Amino acid sequence: EVQLVESGGDLVQPGGSLRLSCAASGFTFGSYNMNWVRQAPGKGLEWVSHITRSGNTTYYADSVKGRVTISRDTAKNSLYLQLNSLRAEDTAVYYCARIEQLVSPNYYAMDVWGQGTTVTVSS
Amino acid sequence: DIQMTQSPSSLSASVGDRVSITCRASQSISNYLNWYQQKPGKAPKLLTYAASILQSGVPSRFSGSGSGTDFTLTISSLQPEDFATYYCQQSYSAPPYTFGQGTKVEIK
Repeated sequence: EVQLVESGGDLVQPGGSLRLSCAASGFTFGSYNMNWVRQAPGKGLEWVSHITRSGNTTYYADSVKGRVTISRDTAKNSLYLQLNSLRAEDTAVYYCARIEQLVSPNYYAMDVWGQGTTVTVSS
Repeated sequence: DIQMTQSPSSLSASVGDRVSITCRASQSISNYLNWYQQKPGKAPKLLTYAASILQSGVPSRFSGSGSGTDFTLTISSLQPEDFATYYCQQSYSAPPYTFGQGTKVEIK
């Protein structure tokens, strides 16, 4: 079964740090670009970060740039998101998502999602 | 960055109704448009991609259309399990993977 399972969410104080993990199974993890997407309580979906299959290229939303680092370990079939200098507005459910090219050329969509992990930033 | 605007933000409908949700891009995105469904407490689920192609396993009552800047997701006959929030997302110029703000479909 194709699956993504996030972990690492927690209650953290403002200014704190957290590392989220996403364990992939059931597919060749190293063949896919990956995203992190978050959803604040009662709000819509917000893309956070992207990493290419090689791990050599990364992108970040302006709202997290400079505070967040995405990485991956293909040997461990795992995706990570390091969150630093956390703010109240980072409170959200964080999802990892697989990016699939469903139609050639370049028609990409997020076709597999994890169940999410909750980050709460509060004193 | 490309902005995506959905309308309406919410709607009330009855089982069996035909429902349409609109998504507008701030510039032309050809047909690089995806739709997702999200139920409360659950992860989003991909419904359609390339504006009109149904993802495997998605019921045929769902359909997508449009190109350029204007897109529509239609549910031909609303079923109880379709009450959810729907998001459009552009993949023309990504990253960033811009989402619309969502449309909540509620029971009338």
